[in-house]
Amino acid sequence: AQTVTQSQPEMSVQEAETVTLSCTYDTSESDYYLFWYKQPPSRQMILVIRQEAYKQQNATENRFSVNFQKAAKSFSLKISDSQLGDAAMYFCAYRMNDMRFGAGTRLTVKP
Amino acid sequence: GAVVSQHPSWVICKSGTSVKIECRSLDFQATTMFWYRQFPKQSLMLMATSNEGSKATYEQGVEKDKFLINHASLTLSTLTVTSAHPEDSSFYICSAPLGGPRGDTQYFGPGTRLTVL
Repeated sequence: AQTVTQSQPEMSVQEAETVTLSCTYDTSESDYYLFWYKQPPSRQMILVIRQEAYKQQNATENRFSVNFQKAAKSFSLKISDSQLGDAAMYFCAYRMNDMRFGAGTRLTVKP
Repeated sequence: GAVVSQHPSWVICKSGTSVKIECRSLDFQATTMFWYRQFPKQSLMLMATSNEGSKATYEQGVEKDKFLINHASLTLSTLTVTSAHPEDSSFYICSAPLGGPRGDTQYFGPGTRLTVL
């Protein structure tokens, strides 16, 4: 079974600074997708970034980028120039057929 | 991006009654939809996979007779919580993949908060 581990229950970052959220996963598959979702207090799940496992190039979306290490089964999210609106729960997710989520990391952004 | 809606957004019911939650893909077709449950301050736990035209696939430990799923059309899946009890109170979220069952990105509904008195 696939498992996703987020070892940081909570993280804090100063506004305008950079923060990295960690995620590791376990799978025997070679073709899959990885995602970071953001869940603000409204609880609407918002896609932040996605990575196809067959692509070696790390995905980037504006201030958000990932460090995808396939051999190490690691998929960390870097948020640059953090903004107050980035404060939320962040979930790492693995998808081959269905989607499995990590436990989440609560990010606080300090003004 | 693709839009998934859920109705109702919140519901309060008495113990022993049944509650139906709808999940709709508004601007794309979805032969597969997923139902999740989320307890406060916890992650999303996959309950079942809803398949259009066939039976739903339930995760281990999820009672299929209690959580009835019907995928009535390519844009609608429903989750019925039968004989609800207070322990069924939770936040229920559906999602649908864009681009087929193995579409690379899932889009989530806004969720339904169920409170059973």
